[in-house]
Amino acid sequence: DAEITQSPRHKITETGRQVTLACHQTWNHNNMFWYRQDLGHGLRLIHYSYGVQDTNKGEVSDGYSVSRSNTEDLPLTLESAASSQTSVYFCASSEVLAGKETQYFGPGTRLLVL
Amino acid sequence: DQQVKQNSPSLSVQEGRISILNCDYTNSMFDYFLWYKKYPAEGPTFLISISSIKDKNEDGRFTVFLNKSAKHLSLHIVPSQPGDSAVYFCAASFFGNQFYFGTGTSLTVIP
Repeated sequence: DAEITQSPRHKITETGRQVTLACHQTWNHNNMFWYRQDLGHGLRLIHYSYGVQDTNKGEVSDGYSVSRSNTEDLPLTLESAASSQTSVYFCASSEVLAGKETQYFGPGTRLLVL
Repeated sequence: DQQVKQNSPSLSVQEGRISILNCDYTNSMFDYFLWYKKYPAEGPTFLISISSIKDKNEDGRFTVFLNKSAKHLSLHIVPSQPGDSAVYFCAASFFGNQFYFGTGTSLTVIP
């Protein structure tokens, strides 16, 4: 079955370290997204991609970067981790049917920055 | 500024009764609305959607109502079941642009 996976599921790191969160989908969706979920804020968009070599900044992109070298993967990199980046991160991919888009989410990565 | 708002952080309902979850939005350009359900330690899963050309969409026990003049949508769950206990997020988008999510409402269905 097609799916979307994230790794690691849990990560503890130290302030200042570079961290990369992996996202892999087997639906062959062109659109992929990274969100963070924080109490009181819901899901906020970090970066998104509409296809290979395409990346765009979302609402809360500072301190994060993504690259899209193939259809299946959109890794999220925290260049220099900060305590404010402690959060739960969700990757999503989407399909468009009859002109309407539905996003499908991975299981999430819980990141703790000490 | 939060363009999609869920003003009730939590809701408790007896099993078998109706659950009504509410969502308000500020951007009149939104033309597509969705509800997602999220269990602990899992990613959100798509539940139901509605286009702005409709005012109601039904799927089994779940019905979404859209009131464009009030910029308000609601999700009705009838009858509520203990397995419906989860966090529910509403989301909105326009012209195929990014989704904007609300802050979520935690629903507890009491057996």
